[in-house]
Amino acid sequence: DVKVTQSSRYLVKRTGEKVFLECVQDMDHENMFWYRQDPGLGLRLIYFSYDVKMKEKGDIPEGYSVSREKKERFSLILESASTNQTSMYLCASSRQGNSYNEQFFGPGTRLTVL
Amino acid sequence: AQTVTQSQPEMSVQEAETVTLSCTYDTSESNYYLFWYKQPPSRQMILVIRQEAYKQQNATENRFSVNFQKAAKSFSLKISDSQLGDTAMYFCAFMGTGAGSYQLTFGKGTKLSVIP
Repeated sequence: DVKVTQSSRYLVKRTGEKVFLECVQDMDHENMFWYRQDPGLGLRLIYFSYDVKMKEKGDIPEGYSVSREKKERFSLILESASTNQTSMYLCASSRQGNSYNEQFFGPGTRLTVL
Repeated sequence: AQTVTQSQPEMSVQEAETVTLSCTYDTSESNYYLFWYKQPPSRQMILVIRQEAYKQQNATENRFSVNFQKAAKSFSLKISDSQLGDTAMYFCAFMGTGAGSYQLTFGKGTKLSVIP
């Protein structure tokens, strides 16, 4: 059974803190993604990675960075958390190739920045 | 850039009835993939159904089917015999097939409530 896990379901941080969100997949997928989900806005891509140590900016990368040191793990970093980063964060992974490239999602991390 | 539009923020349907969720998209590509994802309350997002643009036959997965109109750039989802477990957010998504096309572009979602 395919699995994408995220380190926390709920997280509360203070403004200015450095925040790490971790995502791990066990499907040997090449691609990994970080999305932000807000009511009325759908899912917006923050960053994605197509290989270890490789990353590409998505639609809303400002205020975020990522790290992929191992194939199975993709981290999202908020260098200095702000209240407007309060949101649901979803991680996903997919295989490369010319097929459907279905993305498999983790359960999400609901981050509150106070 | 591609855009995906879901014009119905919320919908409701009686149990056992049929409901159709709308999705339109904008692209200049000739081949691409379209998806419907389901996100139940407090649960993981899962793929419901997918369609390749070059396939004319509409995809079907049990009670879920799509009406794909390529010329109109429309991709609606029909749920037959609605069940309480169908209550969820539904997202329409687009993926191109050009170089580096790993990204999904999502619509804003439709919240579906199935009423007993």
